[in-house]
Amino acid sequence: GAGVSQSPRYKVAKRGQDVALRCDPISGHVSLFWYQQALGQGPEFLTYFQNEAQLDKSGLPSDRFFAERPEGSVSTLKIQRTQQEDSAVYLCASSPAASGHIVGYTFGSGTRLTVV
Amino acid sequence: AQTVTQSQPEMSVQEAETVTLSCTYDTSESNYYLFWYKQPPSRQMILVIRQEAYKQQNATENRFSVNFQKAAKSFSLKISDSQLGDTAMYFCAFFSGAGSYQLTFGKGTKLSVIP
Repeated sequence: GAGVSQSPRYKVAKRGQDVALRCDPISGHVSLFWYQQALGQGPEFLTYFQNEAQLDKSGLPSDRFFAERPEGSVSTLKIQRTQQEDSAVYLCASSPAASGHIVGYTFGSGTRLTVV
Repeated sequence: AQTVTQSQPEMSVQEAETVTLSCTYDTSESNYYLFWYKQPPSRQMILVIRQEAYKQQNATENRFSVNFQKAAKSFSLKISDSQLGDTAMYFCAFFSGAGSYQLTFGKGTKLSVIP
């Protein structure tokens, strides 16, 4: 596609509910990132994929967070047993190269998750 | 660990005027990359400008330029001839690549361009 597509754009979840957030990167992009952006804050790194391999998951805040990219294209971020502190915008970004910092990243418009 | 600090939560500028957004960072690395991203209400982060630490020349992209002071670990963004479409959140970000793939962002500066 022309850009990075994320769905849903908005998600309201009851506390304790499981959610799945989807990211469709630009076709052929090797690198894929997930970031969490709390209200009034800058994005914080969650995890990084190079093709289907999850090379860095050091930013995932707890074992309730799980990300996958099984075929090296679409990625899903799953949050189990959601808590109020999980309320944030979840941003996905992709890059055509492993060295994304050189060639640049394309971000999606994010999913705004509200846990009530 | 790297940190990025943006000390101006909000700024405003008259249309057609010039504004400078501040950013400082802390790192022990000698080579790294610095970025300014713009985030309009649509939430999509858009790259404004990029600077490589080993390049002494300040980066410029049309109306956007940076003042990179490596010794002071300062990386400010200057927007000339401000336009209404420049109204957005601006984030400074750092990448070292030293065993890490992540961008480290500051908390952002909300810029309002006043007609």
